[in-house]
This record gives sequence, structure tokens and C-alpha cells, in this order.
Amino acid sequence: GEDVEQSLFLSVREGDSSVINCTYTDSSSTYLYWYKQEPGAGLQLLTYIFSNMDMKQDQRLTVLLNKKDKHLSLRIADTQTGDSAIYFCAGHSQGGKLIFGQGTELSVKP
Amino acid sequence: GAVVSQHPSRVICKSGTSVKIECRSLDFQATTMFWYRQFPKKSLMLMATSNEGSKATYEQGVEKDKFLINHASLTLSTLTVTSAHPEDSSFYICSARDLRGSNYEQYFGPGTRLTVT
Repeated sequence: GEDVEQSLFLSVREGDSSVINCTYTDSSSTYLYWYKQEPGAGLQLLTYIFSNMDMKQDQRLTVLLNKKDKHLSLRIADTQTGDSAIYFCAGHSQGGKLIFGQGTELSVKP
Repeated sequence: GAVVSQHPSRVICKSGTSVKIECRSLDFQATTMFWYRQFPKKSLMLMATSNEGSKATYEQGVEKDKFLINHASLTLSTLTVTSAHPEDSSFYICSARDLRGSNYEQYFGPGTRLTVT
């Protein structure tokens, strides 16, 4: 089955770019997702990318997909303190169940 | 659009009692809802998949008699934690898949913090 891995922590300064990385094992996921979780809250879908795309940009967010290396990344430009949260990447199984990475805790220092 | 609510947001109960958590899709219909459990600083663990009008499908290691799931309508699923113990204390999150969706996207509720004393 699908296995998704992320680094656990990332610390950046306000205004810098943040890059959160994710690797996955099962290339059959049609879509790959990035979710954001603020403390004590549920998950908010930030963006997703179709598996036949290499890149998707949405305002400050850029998603890069390298299918050969099974590597997904999320770049946040001009990171703000409000971006501090846990970020989860996710793929899905054949049955449609989401498989989450461990989550990357992003800390933005002023 | 695509809002999912959970009720209650926070509950404290005594050991041995049962607690019911509701998950509602407010502006869309969901044939499938999912229940997750999340421990502090940890990823989400899928507990079960809830299908409207049929029995839930539980993940390996999840006790179906302890975590009762009912999905009686296209907008409501409930999770009942029976005979709760302190080790059941956790953050429970539901999600729902839009009936019309084609990208497997799930919309998440805000979560329910359960504390068993």
C-alpha cells in the first residue's frame, strides 16, 4: 500500500520561502494533496495536483511533482507568521482512502 | 461551499460512559465519510470508512464494538465511543467526500477533543 513520508520540522524567518518535502511509494495516486492543520483545528485543503502535472501554482503556493523520484514539494513564498502550522501531504489508495504523511511542523519566526 | 461540522467540539466524560460525536456535511451530500483519530503531534490514523445506508468498514486494529459508527443519511455520520477509558482520550476528526467529486478530495471537520477522566 501507499506509504508517505515527510520531514517533521521546518523553521524559517518571516518573508523567506518555505519548502516542505514529501516522498511516496505508490505511483497510482491520481491526485496528491497538501493539507494545513492549525493547532486544535481540523485539516484545511491547501492545494492538490493531478498526477500528470509537474507543477501547479496558486498565489503564494507552488507544488512540484517529480513522478520519477516519487517526490512532492510545497513551496510557500513570502512566508508569514500565520503560515505556522502542521502541513500534511497525502496520496490516496485504490479505494479512495487518503494516506497521510506524518506532518511537517512549520515554525515561522518574526 | 464544502463545509463539514462536528459536534461537540470538546467533551469530557467519565470512564465507563459513552460519548456520541456527530459529523455533518452542511452544503453537500456525502455517501462516504471517514473517521480519523489523531494523537498529539502525530499524523491522522484512519479508524473507519462510513458509507450511507450500510455498515462501516473498520481499519485493522479498530474495535468495531467499541467505536460504533452510524451513517443514517447523506449528511450525517455519528461515532459513538462506548464504555470510554482514559486511553480513548484523543482528537477525533471526520471528513466527507462530496457525492459529485471526482478527485477523491475529502473535506474535514474541525475535530472533537475527547477527554476521558
